[in-house]
Amino acid sequence: AQRVTQPEKLLSVFKGAPVELKCNYSYSGSPELFWYVQYSRQRLQLLLRHISRESIKGFTADLNKGETSFHLKKPFAQEEDSAMYYCALSYGSSNTGKLIFGQGTTLQVKP
Amino acid sequence: DAGITQSPRHKVTETGTPVTLRCHQTENHRYMYWYRQDPGHGLRLIHYSYGVKDTDKGEVSDGYSVSRSKTEDFLLTLESATSSQTSVYFCAISSDRGASVDTQYFGPGTRLTVL
Repeated sequence: AQRVTQPEKLLSVFKGAPVELKCNYSYSGSPELFWYVQYSRQRLQLLLRHISRESIKGFTADLNKGETSFHLKKPFAQEEDSAMYYCALSYGSSNTGKLIFGQGTTLQVKP
Repeated sequence: DAGITQSPRHKVTETGTPVTLRCHQTENHRYMYWYRQDPGHGLRLIHYSYGVKDTDKGEVSDGYSVSRSKTEDFLLTLESATSSQTSVYFCAISSDRGASVDTQYFGPGTRLTVL
């Protein structure tokens, strides 16, 4: 069965430090992976998806099929990056858009 | 924010009572989803819809039913609420993107407490 695991509930770093939020997945098909972010008092929103290979707000994520991982990285954390981050996997047939989410990681960037 | 609203935004109810949550969109998107968000579980899909009157179950559908009689509205019903259904409920919408489904856009959430 499909599964997404985010091993860290909380990641606390200082401003300017590198950040890596871990995500591992289990899926028998061809994976499509996403990172969603929820800032305080805001809606959950898409940060990036692996097929677009974009860098959003300085964040990047590379799909590693060998390690079944999709870690989110940023070289220099900013205080405004503090938020809840969810990794998600699209599963089922391509015409449903169903997502399975990881448990979420709270990123806390200290000044 | 995409044109998605949820009502009510907060609700407190008692065990055994029926509850209906409404998701309304103004984007004319084909797909709509209901999730629940719980600490330690992230978001879990309850039900989804791929068109008017077309719905299917998600991961955690027991105790929930849905209906979609119009493109813009997707209703989630708890026939007989239980304390385990205390949660924050999110609606999401998405559209077609070529052969697959596009990004999901989320509503503001409904905080439901079942006493």
